[in-house]
Parts: sequence; structure tokens; C-alpha cells
Amino acid sequence: DAGVIQSPRHEVTEMGQEVTLRCKPISGHNSLFWYRQTMMRGLELLIYFNNNVPIDDSGMPEDRFSAKMPNASFSTLKIQPSEPRDSAVYFCASREVGTDTQYFGPGTRLTVL
Amino acid sequence: GENVEQHPSTLSVQEGDSAVIKCTYSDSASNYFPWYKQELGKRPQLIIDIRSNVGEKKDQRIAVTLNKTAKHFSLHITETQPEDSAVYFCAASIGGYSTLTFGKGTMLLVSP
Repeated sequence: DAGVIQSPRHEVTEMGQEVTLRCKPISGHNSLFWYRQTMMRGLELLIYFNNNVPIDDSGMPEDRFSAKMPNASFSTLKIQPSEPRDSAVYFCASREVGTDTQYFGPGTRLTVL
Repeated sequence: GENVEQHPSTLSVQEGDSAVIKCTYSDSASNYFPWYKQELGKRPQLIIDIRSNVGEKKDQRIAVTLNKTAKHFSLHITETQPEDSAVYFCAASIGGYSTLTFGKGTMLLVSP
């Protein structure tokens, strides 16, 4: 099994640009989570999908952030427009139905200049 | 919602010593408590977890204990090795379809 796949692994962009992060969960997993990690705030849950449906997006910082899961094998997190304070590592994680364990992807390190 | 406090934030030990990291949680309905290890520049990886129907679980040099009455749980690492150096995160959830609430993390440094 390839595990959770994220792309790109690194992204450097300028303030105001649109950024799209991508995630492919482990095959057969029906829950998907997007997290943001910074030194100051630790690991924060941004949004959580179950069976492709957003269940809890209370962690999404503001309207500049949006997430979609068009099918069971793909999700995107978009930031438009990006700001320097969005610089962080963004992790995607997935979980199999009926279990508790979340498996994390390698993360995307985002730098907004 | 759930709140997880973790301490210490940093912990330095000598190789061969034991290390203990402690977490408290606020929601008495929480029943699943995983611990993740994150090496520098890598993803968090599950190292051990415990459910509220047991008080202790061991896996080689690591163990986790849970005190439901006091709402705290701890990670114990014995005979520490330099490769144990990493950031360790505790988390709590109600289980089922709920989400994990993470502590802020403990940076463990094991000196040779």
C-alpha cells in the first residue's frame, strides 16, 4: 500500500496567489482529514470528510480556505488569496471505516512570501 | 469541545534513561488515546494507542497508562536511544466517527 499521498511536497508562492494542495487517501479509507501544523499552534484540524461529505469545517480559518472531495480517492485544499501567515506544513490523513487510527501523508510545506 | 494539555514541552534525557510524557483531557466521553511520533521533517506516525477499557498497554520499550478518573494518560519510554529523539504528540477522541484533538507536543532529546 502506498499510504496517503500528498502533492506538492513543497510550495513557494507569493502573497495573493492561489494555492491548491492535493491528497490521495489510502484505498478503502472513508474518512479524510486536513491538518495545519505550525510551531505556534501545533497540529490544527481544518476540515474532516466522511464518505466524501464535509462533516466538520469549523477549523477552516476563513473564507480564503476551501476544501473539496469530489470522489473517494482525491481531495483538495485551496487557499485564495494566500497570505504569509498561511505558511505552514499541511497534512492530510485518512482513516478506515470502523477504526480509530489516522494515517498521515508526508505533508506539504507551504511558504507564502 | 475536547481540550488536551501535554507536558513537558521539552524533555532531555541521557541514553538509557526513561522518559515520561503526560497528557490530560477534558471530555469524560473520550475513549481513544493515541500517541504519535514525529521525526524532524517527517509525518506523525502512530506508535501506540489505548482505549478506555484498559489501564495500561505495552509494546517493547514503550508503554501507555490511562487514569480515567483523573482524566490523564502518560507515555513511558524505557532504555531510551538516540533514535527516540523526536516530537511526541498525544491525542484524544470519543472514537467512532469523531476527530482527534492533539496536545501541543513534547520534544524529546536523547543524548548519547
